Amino acid sequence: KQEVTQIPAALSVPEGENLVLNCSFTDSAIYNLQWFRQDPGKGLTSLLLIQSSQREQTSGRLNASLDKSSGRSTLYIAASQPGDSATYLCAGFDYKLSFGAGTTVTVRA
Amino acid sequence: SQTIHQWPATLVQPVGSPLSLECTVEGTSNPNLYWYRQAAGRGLQLLFYSVGIGQISSEVPQNLSASRPQDRQFILSSKKLLLSDSGFYLCAWSRRGDPAKNEQFFGPGTRLTVL
Repeated sequence: KQEVTQIPAALSVPEGENLVLNCSFTDSAIYNLQWFRQDPGKGLTSLLLIQSSQREQTSGRLNASLDKSSGRSTLYIAASQPGDSATYLCAGFDYKLSFGAGTTVTVRA
Repeated sequence: SQTIHQWPATLVQPVGSPLSLECTVEGTSNPNLYWYRQAAGRGLQLLFYSVGIGQISSEVPQNLSASRPQDRQFILSSKKLLLSDSGFYLCAWSRRGDPAKNEQFFGPGTRLTVL
């Protein structure tokens, strides 16, 4: 059974600082890993998908890496802004998405 | 572009009452469809998924059921709600094909409170 862990559970940083969010998974037999953003009371917004054959994906200020051999993925958000405040979830896909509990980020103005 | 709709947005129901939540996708054909539940302190859990009309796979034994009467319509039902059914219900879709490219897109969710 896939277990996905996200550390830290919560993070508070001043505006402009770079964010580093960690995700680890126990079963490396995944097809891809997906990062999501969730605002309070809202659905999930897909940020990045990294296929198992890829090592990283970039979209604007976001960069995600994937190391299947060590069972780790990291999401980097450059030059954080107050609008980046949200909960960030990672999920590994084998035949279904297995989610971590998320990292709640607060960016202080 | 593709859009996913869920309704209702919020629902308060008594224990023992029936439930019907609806999800529809626009702008794509033959999608994979998923129902998830997000309960406080338990994270996101896959309930059902469907790869085609009338094809439903259940992940968690419970008093919920799902149906897919049309290609882009997915319905979550219950005959008798339990207190433990309270939560945030999310529908998602993905394109058919290469599982490595299976990117899932989520709807706005339905907040269900069972009293």
